[in-house]
Amino acid sequence: GAVVSQHPSWVICKSGTSVKIECRSLDFQATTMFWYRQFPKQSLMLMATSNEGSKATYEQGVEKDKFLINHASLTLSTLTVTSAHPEDSSFYICSAGGGSEQFFGPGTRLTVL
Amino acid sequence: GENVEQHPSTLSVQEGDSAVIKCTYSDSASNYFPWYKQELGKRPQLIIDIRSNVGEKKDQRIAVTLNKTAKHFSLHITETQPEDSAVYFCAASTGTSYGKLTFGQGTILTVHP
Repeated sequence: GAVVSQHPSWVICKSGTSVKIECRSLDFQATTMFWYRQFPKQSLMLMATSNEGSKATYEQGVEKDKFLINHASLTLSTLTVTSAHPEDSSFYICSAGGGSEQFFGPGTRLTVL
Repeated sequence: GENVEQHPSTLSVQEGDSAVIKCTYSDSASNYFPWYKQELGKRPQLIIDIRSNVGEKKDQRIAVTLNKTAKHFSLHITETQPEDSAVYFCAASTGTSYGKLTFGQGTILTVHP
């Protein structure tokens, strides 16, 4: 199946700093990618839809100025958590449609101290 | 928007028994229903999916049934094995497999040897 990678796999940062997470489709092109957030022992919640060459579409309740998404190419979408705070600590997962299913990245564990 | 309810939240079975997880959805326009298995700290892995033009689909020990009228779908695992222990999520999408997914709350399945 298709492969989606994420980098970094984990990151620890201080409160107030910004963190960038990359999501890449390695062997296919993705005009649309999705960003999910998963808190411990909870489900995946869609944050936003990343569209290549245009603005992202954010789900209700997600602050677009805090979670900046850039989908600059058909194989790369980035999520930047700006001015991160401890409550932003979570597991962030991206996905992209390829073939007949969506493929998920391995996730990024963000811990904000 | 779409709302997906999943039950039970936890399920404990003996090895060799069957396990059934049920989901209901709210949006009659939903037409793609995947099931994912997620191990701790890992990405969701697609185990089976079904589209709205099909009532049942089976893949070895795993089967999914869909009742469009009642707007519910179920995952059936037969002859469970300890390695089936994980968190299982159902999801629904109004688009194709490329569309955004709304996830259920998840079911923690434990298979006791």
